[in-house]
Amino acid sequence: DQQVKQNSPSLSVQEGRISILNCDYTNSMFDYFLWYKKYPAEGPTFLISISSIKDKNEDGRFTVFLNKSAKHLSLHIVPSQPGDSAVYFCAASETQGGSEKLVFGKGTKLTVNP
Amino acid sequence: DTGVSQDPRHKITKRGQNVTFRCDPISEHNRLYWYRQTLGQGPEFLTYFQNEAQLEKSRLLSDRFSAERPKGSFSTLEIQRTEQGDSAMYLCASRLARGETQYFGPGTRLLVL
Repeated sequence: DQQVKQNSPSLSVQEGRISILNCDYTNSMFDYFLWYKKYPAEGPTFLISISSIKDKNEDGRFTVFLNKSAKHLSLHIVPSQPGDSAVYFCAASETQGGSEKLVFGKGTKLTVNP
Repeated sequence: DTGVSQDPRHKITKRGQNVTFRCDPISEHNRLYWYRQTLGQGPEFLTYFQNEAQLEKSRLLSDRFSAERPKGSFSTLEIQRTEQGDSAMYLCASRLARGETQYFGPGTRLLVL
């Protein structure tokens, strides 16, 4: 069973517009959420995170929103740039006890067209 | 500022051979993770070390896989009697403390022929 789901395998947007990437989770014990960006043949690069005690976290062009009741989070990129084209992974973990291992979705491939 | 490093970056081997990968975490990061990523999937957790102690292993880590972190610094992941299904990107990540972000290395891409 997939505990973290990214239902859109791909997304295409125009440069300068908003990109919205979505993620759903099923495990109510998850309390820390992250977004990673990945280029082919490279490791994931950390983008932004959010704790379950918050509903929004912003860092420059990137904002993550968390809706705990819906078990849903989203990443907004405004404005989108061609260099943002990559695969974006949503990840979740339980921070209370244990390894805090990350559980990843399958990723969404974002293409930003000039 | 050096990030997580992994060696080798690429490995091609024949089925049945043994392979070993190395991960050097960010300095002072006492928590280290191994993940595996196959095509079209997100990374999947394999194992976790806190200092030299291996505290958690995934069911994905069969008996052919072994990981060590002998002095609490670098770690090795060995796969014995490789199978074609072992072909994947093997990722290492480290973090400083509880609640902190995990930072990933560039990965080792393994191809088993």
